[in-house]
Amino acid sequence: AQTVTQSQPEMSVQEAETVTLSCTYDTSESDYYLFWYKQPPSRQMILVIRQEAYKQQNATENRFSVNFQKAAKSFSLKISDSQLGDAAMYFCAYRSPNTGNQFYFGTGTSLTVIP
Amino acid sequence: EPEVTQTPSHQVTQMGQEVILRCVPISNHLYFYWYRQILGQKVEFLVSFYNNEISEKSEIFDDQFSVERPDGSNFTLKIRSTKLEDSAMYFCASSVRFSGNTIYFGEGSWLTVV
Repeated sequence: AQTVTQSQPEMSVQEAETVTLSCTYDTSESDYYLFWYKQPPSRQMILVIRQEAYKQQNATENRFSVNFQKAAKSFSLKISDSQLGDAAMYFCAYRSPNTGNQFYFGTGTSLTVIP
Repeated sequence: EPEVTQTPSHQVTQMGQEVILRCVPISNHLYFYWYRQILGQKVEFLVSFYNNEISEKSEIFDDQFSVERPDGSNFTLKIRSTKLEDSAMYFCASSVRFSGNTIYFGEGSWLTVV
């Protein structure tokens, strides 16, 4: 099974600053999808951003962008101009097109935004 | 924007009792899922469902669990004879098979077994 590793259990960032959350994964597949989900204290899982492995261009969604390094199997999330509402648990997830739509999640990074 | 809705948001049940968690997936979605998150742990896949049958299930999804789509809108997870270790947040999710690979989660049902 694919594994997803988030090596930073906790991160903090000053409001308006930039923070990068790390994610690495292990796979032998060439085609797959990567996601970042946000889980605020309400515990709802909210999609932040997604990346298709066949696309070389890094995905961007407003203040959120990724640094996708396919050869290194790395998929980091950059949050620019951090806001208080960004405080949440962030999960990196991997989806293979070959395993029935199953997602594999990392253990999460808890992000604190300091006013 | 369409959402996946789940009920109940929180349920407390006694060990050994049966629990049914309900979900209404997004209306044009064809794949449905249940995931589980034990407090402080990662989100784990339980089961995926397509065309009125299970398409994949994890090792967690044993005979204690079952899923059903009783009508055109609801998707349920039944847990028979609950155990203390079943206490977790249960997330329902759905996705469109062909036009996207993102799954959309509901807000979760928090199950506490006492």
